Amino acid sequence: NAGVTQTPKFRILKIGQSMTLQCTQDMNHNYMYWYRQDPGMGLKLIYYSVGAGITDKGEVPNGYNVSRSTTEDFPLRLELAAPSQTSVYFCASTLDRSDSNQPQHFGDGTRLSIL
Amino acid sequence: DAKTTQPTSMDCAEGRAANLPCNHSTISGNEYVYWYRQIHSQGPQYIIHGLKNNETNEMASLIITEDRKSSTLILPHATLRDTAVYYCIPYYGGATNKLIFGTGTLLAIQP
Repeated sequence: NAGVTQTPKFRILKIGQSMTLQCTQDMNHNYMYWYRQDPGMGLKLIYYSVGAGITDKGEVPNGYNVSRSTTEDFPLRLELAAPSQTSVYFCASTLDRSDSNQPQHFGDGTRLSIL
Repeated sequence: DAKTTQPTSMDCAEGRAANLPCNHSTISGNEYVYWYRQIHSQGPQYIIHGLKNNETNEMASLIITEDRKSSTLILPHATLRDTAVYYCIPYYGGATNKLIFGTGTLLAIQP
């Protein structure tokens, strides 16, 4: 079972460059999320999606964009990389069910450094 | 969002039971208590969750007090691979399923 897959695992960017962090899940989950984790801190929600074509901002959306054209994929876009965006990025997904409470499942993260 | 209080760190001997406490006195009636862990350099891993009753799965047991203001995660036979940061998170599944991660408890299993 692949679960939640994130690519790349590591990346170094120069200030002002752009890139897309990829996230895909094979569990047919309708909800997907992007979090960032700074050193020694907990996770903060960047964006989330409750289904294809629907996205919304989390706690720290500035400097990022997302899209959700399919159920499986939820890419995160950095347009103008800044040193403050150096972090570890985690993608997660869950299945929303009215009859039970379901956990979120996480990928292994993308470690991004902006120099 | 409900606030949680967890010890910053704990030690446990390998093979013994590890008991991790969490206070969540402001938890709302429809919030479940979720436990996740994060092993160094990996993504958070779901462990167990419960609403009112005690729960057990292949990884751990969860004991929730009757007033739901606190809970304890029990790893019955800790191994070195259980060394991780453990997060207790009140969480309700709904239209905006947002997990709020605090700083958690660093559990160090000693050989």
